[in-house]
Amino acid sequence: NAGVMQNPRHLVRRRGQEARLRCSPMKGHSHVYWYRQLPEEGLKFMVYLQKENIIDESGMPKERFSAEFPKEGPSILRIQQVVRGDSAAYFCASSPSGQFYEQYFGPGTRLTVT
Amino acid sequence: AQSVTQLGSHVSVSEGALVLLRCNYSSSVPPYLFWYVQYPNQGLQLLLKYTSAATLVKGINGFEAEFKKSETSFHLTKPSAHMSDAAEYFCAVSEGVTGGGNKLTFGTGTQLKVEL
Repeated sequence: NAGVMQNPRHLVRRRGQEARLRCSPMKGHSHVYWYRQLPEEGLKFMVYLQKENIIDESGMPKERFSAEFPKEGPSILRIQQVVRGDSAAYFCASSPSGQFYEQYFGPGTRLTVT
Repeated sequence: AQSVTQLGSHVSVSEGALVLLRCNYSSSVPPYLFWYVQYPNQGLQLLLKYTSAATLVKGINGFEAEFKKSETSFHLTKPSAHMSDAAEYFCAVSEGVTGGGNKLTFGTGTQLKVEL
């Protein structure tokens, strides 16, 4: 069973460009979480999605960031008009259900904004 | 809101020595607690979890942790460190989400160094 997949693994964007980060959860998992890891910090929760629904986006910056998890295809974290402060590692995790407490993490996407 | 405090951002031990990484949590409800390990440029791998069953939890790679409610602690230990244990370790607490799901609140991490 393939693990959580994220692509790209590394992404370089100039200030003002858009960044799209993709996450394919483990097979059979319908719950996806996105976390951000800033340099020298732990992971911070951003958003929790189920298929076609955003359940909790309390950790998402109010502007420029959006997330989706369509019925078909991967979950997408989208950052518009990136700024240098967006440079971080973005991790996706999945679980089979909301009551299953263990989350499986992908390898992350390291975003660098120049 | 729940929170996690990891004492010591860097811990150094000799190979073969005891590993002790500290984690204290704050929670208004019975917590679910986790230890994850992160190797350089990789994602997080679950070491072990506490979900209100036995208070002494055994994980992978010889690690274990003990849940102590009176001390609000969930320290990670390993009797004998190996060079391959060098990594960053994160303690996390699970917080329920309205509508289901469980977002994790992480500590700031402890970098473990193992010396010959």
